[in-house]
Amino acid sequence: KQEVTQIPAALSVPEGENLVLNCSFTDSAIYNLQWFRQDPGKGLTSLLLIQSSQREQTSGRLNASLDKSSGRSTLYIAASQPGDSATYLCAVRPSGNTPLVFGKGTRLSVIA
Amino acid sequence: ETGVTQSPTHLIKTRGQQVTLRCSSQSGHNTVSWYQQALGQGPQFIFQYYREEENGRGNFPPRFSGLQFPNYSSELNVNALELDDSALYLCASRTGGVYGYTFGSGTRLTVV
Repeated sequence: KQEVTQIPAALSVPEGENLVLNCSFTDSAIYNLQWFRQDPGKGLTSLLLIQSSQREQTSGRLNASLDKSSGRSTLYIAASQPGDSATYLCAVRPSGNTPLVFGKGTRLSVIA
Repeated sequence: ETGVTQSPTHLIKTRGQQVTLRCSSQSGHNTVSWYQQALGQGPQFIFQYYREEENGRGNFPPRFSGLQFPNYSSELNVNALELDDSALYLCASRTGGVYGYTFGSGTRLTVV
């Protein structure tokens, strides 16, 4: 059974810092992996989607990497801003027809 | 900018009542999944539909049921509501193949 863990659970950084959020999963046989952002009480916004054959994806200040063999993904946020404050969720899709398996998220606070 | 719309946004029900939550997906999104998210937790998979047939179910009792309609809308029904059913309910959909999931803004259900 696939399990996803995100560390740290919470993170507070000053504005302008570069930061890394970690995601690990127990079964390396995945179809793809998605990173989401969730503002308090709101739905999920997809940030990046990495297919199992890819090593990384970039969008603006965000870069996500995937190392299937070690069961790890990282989300790198460059030059953080207060508007980046949110909970970041990592989700793995084990196979083509299966739903997402989520971690519990990392709650990020960027202090101005 | 999301293509998935959920209604209502908030709902208060009494224990023992029944509730129906609705989701409208983008055209062509023939896979829809429903998730339950308790406070401070990652979303937990309830069930998934593909072309109006249920093709996956998480660890939820039979009083959680659903339907998917030909117009890419779907619904989640919960009978005999319990206090622990209080949560954010999220609908997600995708097209086939390698594409990622798009989530709605969620319905906040409070059972009193």
